[in-house]
Amino acid sequence: SQKIEQNSEALNIQEGKTATLTCNYTNYSPAYLQWYRQDPGRGPVFLLLIRENEKEKRKERLKVTFDTTLKQSLFHITASQPADSATYLCALLNQAGTALIFGKGTTLSVSS
Amino acid sequence: DADVTQTPRNRITKTGKRIMLECSQTKGHDRMYWYRQDPGLGLRLIYYSFDVKDINKGEISDGYSVSRQAQAKFSLSLESAIPNQTALYFCATRSSGRLETQYFGPGTRLLVL
Repeated sequence: SQKIEQNSEALNIQEGKTATLTCNYTNYSPAYLQWYRQDPGRGPVFLLLIRENEKEKRKERLKVTFDTTLKQSLFHITASQPADSATYLCALLNQAGTALIFGKGTTLSVSS
Repeated sequence: DADVTQTPRNRITKTGKRIMLECSQTKGHDRMYWYRQDPGLGLRLIYYSFDVKDINKGEISDGYSVSRQAQAKFSLSLESAIPNQTALYFCATRSSGRLETQYFGPGTRLLVL
């Protein structure tokens, strides 16, 4: 069955540094991958989508890469700020194309 | 106004009680979803619907039922609540396009005693 793994449950970094989060998947070849941000007690909010034929996607301080050979996506936040502290989820459309399945998330804490 | 709303936002109930969680959306999306989120387990799909006549089970549908009353409304019922259904429940909507993203409601925090 399809599996999505976000290797780190928690990541602590200092303000100004680059945060790098990892998402790995198995038993699947998705056409795209999405990243969401979730703040405590709130619903996830969409951040970025990257297609299988795109190696890299950028949005302001965010950068996502997608390596279909390694079956891995990396999510980078450059010049991190305390306001970036949240849980970040990666998501893939299931093989039936009917619903998104989510990784368990990585909780990022940025200290000033 | 929020695009996806959920009621109630918080609920405490007792084992064996029937409870309904409601979801409404103003985005005009045809697809609607119910997920539950538990610490350490992430978001898991309970049920989803592609239109009012199409209801599908997700990976953890046992103990739950749903009703799609209209394109904009999708409710989740726990027929006889049990303590391990204590969780954070999210409704989400999505357009039918292949690259479309999902929009989540604010969540309902349910405690079953």
